[in-house]
Amino acid sequence: NAGVTQTPKFRILKIGQSMTLQCTQDMNHNYMYWYRQDPGMGLKLIYYSVGAGITDKGEVPNGYNVSRSTTEDFPLRLELAAPSQTSVYFCASSYPGNGLAYNEQFFGPGTRLTVL
Amino acid sequence: AQSVSQHNHHVILSEAASLELGCNYSYGGTVNLFWYVQYPGQHLQLLLKYFSGDPLVKGIKGFEAEFIKSKFSFNLRKPSVQWSDTAEYFCAVTTGGGNKLTFGTGTQLKVEL
Repeated sequence: NAGVTQTPKFRILKIGQSMTLQCTQDMNHNYMYWYRQDPGMGLKLIYYSVGAGITDKGEVPNGYNVSRSTTEDFPLRLELAAPSQTSVYFCASSYPGNGLAYNEQFFGPGTRLTVL
Repeated sequence: AQSVSQHNHHVILSEAASLELGCNYSYGGTVNLFWYVQYPGQHLQLLLKYFSGDPLVKGIKGFEAEFIKSKFSFNLRKPSVQWSDTAEYFCAVTTGGGNKLTFGTGTQLKVEL
């Protein structure tokens, strides 16, 4: 299994541009998540999804959108990029209900985004 | 809303020294507790987790953590660190059986030879 994969690894955007960060998992996990990581701030939850067609806001959703049309994919969309969105973005997935893996989240390698 | 505090932001140790990283959470109900590690240039990996039962949890690479409910703490320990333990360590919690992780701000550990 490849686990959780993210593309691109790096991206530089100009203010006002838009882009989609891709996230795919091949573990048949129901739950998927998007976090942003800023220095000294830990990880903050942006959006999450409990299954195809269902998404909900996390702690810092402003400026982002998500969709979940399949179990495998959970893209994150930035519509009007702002310097405050410069960050490292991590996607994760989990499978609730499994006695051993309950609540454990598996993380992708991250996307480093710079907005200038 | 729950929160997680990691009081040590930067820790520098010599190889073979003992390690203890503090983690406190604020939530009065049922919690699941985690320690994740992020090695330089890599993604987060799970070190260990506590759901229930024995409050002393053993994880990978010789790490362990103790859940002390009365102190709302879940400190990470290792008796003898190695240079390869240089990484950032994050404590995290989910509450009430949910799946949303709340992370602490992380502790940057540097182990010197």
